[in-house]
Amino acid sequence: AQRVTQPEKLLSVFKGAPVELKCNYSYSGSPELFWYVQYSRQRLQLLLRHISRESIKGFTADLNKGETSFHLKKPFAQEEDSAMYYCALKIVGGTSYGKLTFGQGTILTVHP
Amino acid sequence: DGGITQSPKYLFRKEGQNVTLSCEQNLNHDAMYWYRQDPGQGLRLIYYSQIVNDFQKGDIAEGYSVSREKKESFPLTVTSAQKNPTAFYLCASTSLMNTEAFFGQGTRLTVV
Repeated sequence: AQRVTQPEKLLSVFKGAPVELKCNYSYSGSPELFWYVQYSRQRLQLLLRHISRESIKGFTADLNKGETSFHLKKPFAQEEDSAMYYCALKIVGGTSYGKLTFGQGTILTVHP
Repeated sequence: DGGITQSPKYLFRKEGQNVTLSCEQNLNHDAMYWYRQDPGQGLRLIYYSQIVNDFQKGDIAEGYSVSREKKESFPLTVTSAQKNPTAFYLCASTSLMNTEAFFGQGTRLTVV
């Protein structure tokens, strides 16, 4: 069965510092990986996906199949980055096609 | 105004009663999902559906039931068999071509 693990429930950094939110996954096939973000009083929304290899709001994430990781990084954190971040895995084949599984979430707080 | 709508926003239920949470989308999405969000446990998948008249159990389906009679609608019933139903419930949808998930605002269910 697939699993997504975010080892840090809470992460605090100061403005301007680098930030890395960790995500590890377990799945025998080739999944799609995502990062979703939930700002205060807003809906959960997509931040980025591994297949597009893009940078959104200064965040990047590289899929490392060898380490089964998909860590989210930003070189200089901003106060507006404070939010709950979820890593997610989607199965794209087989009997569980379309199953979308989330990690436990990491609350990022960026202090001024 | 396209989107995914959950109702009601708040719901109170007496122990032993079944209750149904509504989820409607007008995005013409094929797939729909139900998640439960508890503090410290992230989003846990209850049920998901890729097409009309078909759905699969997620990771915590016990005590819940769903139906998918229409593409736009994916109601979730929390039955009396669910031992700890008090939680925040999120509904999501995706198209088969675009893997980004769109989320509703959520329903907070409280058992009194």
